[in-house]
Amino acid sequence: GQQVQQSPASLVLQEGENAELQCNFSTSLNSMQWFYQRPEGSLVSLFYNPSGTKQSGRLTSTTVIKERRSSLHISSSQITDSGTYLCAMEGTGNYKYVFGAGTRLKVIA
Amino acid sequence: GPKVLQIPSHQIIDMGQMVTLNCDPVSNHLYFYWYKQILGQQMEFLVNFYNGKVMEKSKLFKDQFSVERPDGSYFTLKIQPTALEDSAVYFCASSVRDWGVGEQYFGPGTRLTVL
Repeated sequence: GQQVQQSPASLVLQEGENAELQCNFSTSLNSMQWFYQRPEGSLVSLFYNPSGTKQSGRLTSTTVIKERRSSLHISSSQITDSGTYLCAMEGTGNYKYVFGAGTRLKVIA
Repeated sequence: GPKVLQIPSHQIIDMGQMVTLNCDPVSNHLYFYWYKQILGQQMEFLVNFYNGKVMEKSKLFKDQFSVERPDGSYFTLKIQPTALEDSAVYFCASSVRDWGVGEQYFGPGTRLTVL
């Protein structure tokens, strides 16, 4: 079945440092999304990015279909970036997301 | 942007009782989903729904679970009877799926506690 591997599992940054979060997929990709999960549990969609590169403020997502991977780059991290980042992918011919286990990011002063 | 609403936000019930979780999807969306996340664990797919029918369900979608969307109103997940292991946050999502693909829009979740 489809599998999604996220790395690193956890990360601690000093405020102002950059971060690179990775998501690798075991099957060919139809769709993928990056989410931020708030401490209270609700999801914030960061990017719908099935291919190519998208940027929003300090966040950049790059999905390389051939290599079955996607990355989320956070530049100039802030304490408010702390939380859990999830990637989710939908394999070709499927109509459901498979989620990664998440990356727990902590940004300290 | 488009919003998916979920009612209630929290529900506490006794084991064995029935519960219905309600989802108000984005108005022009055609595909609907339920996901389950046990506290501290991975988000997992439960079921998807299109054109009045379940397309696919996972192993987590037990016989006690059912979904429906009567007359284009709420998309509901019913659990009858509930079990302790059903305690989790349940997320509803919807999508348009132009040309077979599309972004999923997630609701804020319903936290279900079964005592």
